[in-house]
Amino acid sequence: AQSVTQLGSHVSVSEGALVLLRCNYSSSVPPYLFWYVQYPNQGLQLLLKYTTGATLVKGINGFEAEFKKSETSFHLTKPSAHMSDAAEYFCALTGGGNKLTFGTGTQLKVEL
Amino acid sequence: EAGVAQSPRYKIIEKRQSVAFWCNPISGHATLYWYQQILGQGPKLLIQFQNNGVVDDSQLPKDRFSAERLKGVDSTLKIQPAKLEDSAVYLCASSSARGGETQYFGPGTRLLVL
Repeated sequence: AQSVTQLGSHVSVSEGALVLLRCNYSSSVPPYLFWYVQYPNQGLQLLLKYTTGATLVKGINGFEAEFKKSETSFHLTKPSAHMSDAAEYFCALTGGGNKLTFGTGTQLKVEL
Repeated sequence: EAGVAQSPRYKIIEKRQSVAFWCNPISGHATLYWYQQILGQGPKLLIQFQNNGVVDDSQLPKDRFSAERLKGVDSTLKIQPAKLEDSAVYLCASSSARGGETQYFGPGTRLLVL
């Protein structure tokens, strides 16, 4: 069985501040981990993914995430938030197949 | 490269009516997925096709939902009859292979059942 837990359904940051969105996972096999972003009335867009190898993964729009096996975490960060980052972010995993299991999402709000 | 196409984008129906959604995946992608995303939740896989065969439909409510992928390209998802709790966004995604490959999502169809 596998699951994804995203801590904080809503996160608010000031423009220019650090963005930190938390994701913890449970998987009985080595997972592949993903972060997707969803803008209003749009589908999901891949930000980054971890499969194997380097544990620090860089994605689009200045986002990065670090796979920490000991903590079963895959938190998403961005050094400086921009207004255009306001969206919903989903952490997801697959374990030995293509079936994606998603977290419940974190709505990011960026304030001036 | 063209992305995943879905239609319609929005649909409003009354309960007990039927509805169908269409998806055209990225050219050459063998694997196609249908997800249901209820407001405030993450997407949940309904069915996965590999070419025109079903790989996983364990979470598809088969008494009312059906899906097909004729010729291994386009796919349709049907609900008959619809219930109020079927109100959701239905997302189609495709990927090029099995085993952790990136899934590319379409814009979704937003269904409201009254």
